[in-house]
Amino acid sequence: DGGITQSPKYLFRKEGQNVTLSCEQNLNHDAMYWYRQDPGQGLRLIYYSQIVNDFQKGDIAEGYSVSREKKESFPLTVTSAQKNPTAFYLCASSGSLDTGELFFGEGSRLTVL
Amino acid sequence: AQSVTQLDSHVSVSEGTPVLLRCNYSSSYSPSLFWYVQHPNKGLQLLLKYTSAATLVKGINGFEAEFKKSETSFHLTKPSAHMSDAAEYFCVVSDYGNKLVFGAGTILRVKS
Repeated sequence: DGGITQSPKYLFRKEGQNVTLSCEQNLNHDAMYWYRQDPGQGLRLIYYSQIVNDFQKGDIAEGYSVSREKKESFPLTVTSAQKNPTAFYLCASSGSLDTGELFFGEGSRLTVL
Repeated sequence: AQSVTQLDSHVSVSEGTPVLLRCNYSSSYSPSLFWYVQHPNKGLQLLLKYTSAATLVKGINGFEAEFKKSETSFHLTKPSAHMSDAAEYFCVVSDYGNKLVFGAGTILRVKS
């Protein structure tokens, strides 16, 4: 089945540690996105990528980094510079930037201890 | 800049009764509008989208939404709620430049 796979589903981190969230898609989509979800705030865009080896900052990129070395993969690193990293992180992809139709993974819940 | 306001953070209905989730938007251009649904601890799934064709849009699972430009609204409705409809619903606007802006979400509770 085609889709987006995020891992791990749950992750615990100590303060000061970097963590990397995986996102893989087999939909052959060009565009990929990372969103952060906090209760009552909707989704906020962290980073997005339109093509391999290119990505742009979203609205809340500080404390995060990404790479796009393969079309299928768009990992997100939450660095120690992110002051409030506890959240639900969602990866999405779309076949085109101009449709607004996103396909989402099931999310990764990060908790900082 | 575009924005989305979901007028209710929580809506509670009885099974078999109508559902109305309200969304107002602000956009400088002719927007595209979407409703997404999220079940607990899951990703979001597209319910329906409006892209300047018919103003009444039908989606999956019996949901529909009507684009009203004069009221800048895009309310989501369903004639008869089912227990499986209990979830969080997001109204989303996309305009020129294709940036998506998500509303804060409305949690729908369905009582048996």
